[in-house]
Amino acid sequence: TQLLEQSPQFLSIQEGENLTVYCNSSSVFSSLQWYRQEPGEGPVLLVTVVTGGEVKKLKRLTFQFGDARKDSSLHITAAQPGDTGLYLCAGQSNTGKLIFGQGTTLQVKP
Amino acid sequence: KAGVTQTPRYLIKTRGQQVTLSCSPISGHRSVSWYQQTPGQGLQFLFEYFSETQRNKGNFPGRFSGRQFSNSRSEMNVSTLELGDSALYLCASSLDGAKYNEQFFGPGTRLTVL
Repeated sequence: TQLLEQSPQFLSIQEGENLTVYCNSSSVFSSLQWYRQEPGEGPVLLVTVVTGGEVKKLKRLTFQFGDARKDSSLHITAAQPGDTGLYLCAGQSNTGKLIFGQGTTLQVKP
Repeated sequence: KAGVTQTPRYLIKTRGQQVTLSCSPISGHRSVSWYQQTPGQGLQFLFEYFSETQRNKGNFPGRFSGRQFSNSRSEMNVSTLELGDSALYLCASSLDGAKYNEQFFGPGTRLTVL
């Protein structure tokens, strides 16, 4: 069974700080996606990474896919209150369906 | 283009009852997936439908079922509700042929079982 573990589970920081969220597995995924979910809404896709070692940037967010395609990280620079939410990583399994991590709840205090 | 819509948004049921949730995908999307989200288990895949056929299934008991209509709208049904079925049920649609199965989620239906 393919599993994805996210860490940390909870993160509470001050506005302006940097942070990194990790998504790890013992399995290889063909691609990995990051979503953000705000209260009362469904997850929204942020990025898809597909190549080992790939780095993608979305404004202050930097996503990296591990060389072996077993892990990924999300780094946020100078976090803002608008970044608050639940961050989910999801790996595409060998059957095509998505396997989600447990999520990281981020709170950015002004 | 309108997003994924789910109805109802909130539902309260009692143990033993059954419930039907509805999902309308983004226009042109023919794949619809259902997920259960709880604080303890996170987001878990229930099943996926494409062209009115179940294409993929998660590890949920037979009390959870679904179907898809010719217009790609989908419903999921939970029979003999248990307290542990209380959760946010999310529907997501995707473009068939999307290489990485990127999901577009609806706002969810919050089900509370008393």
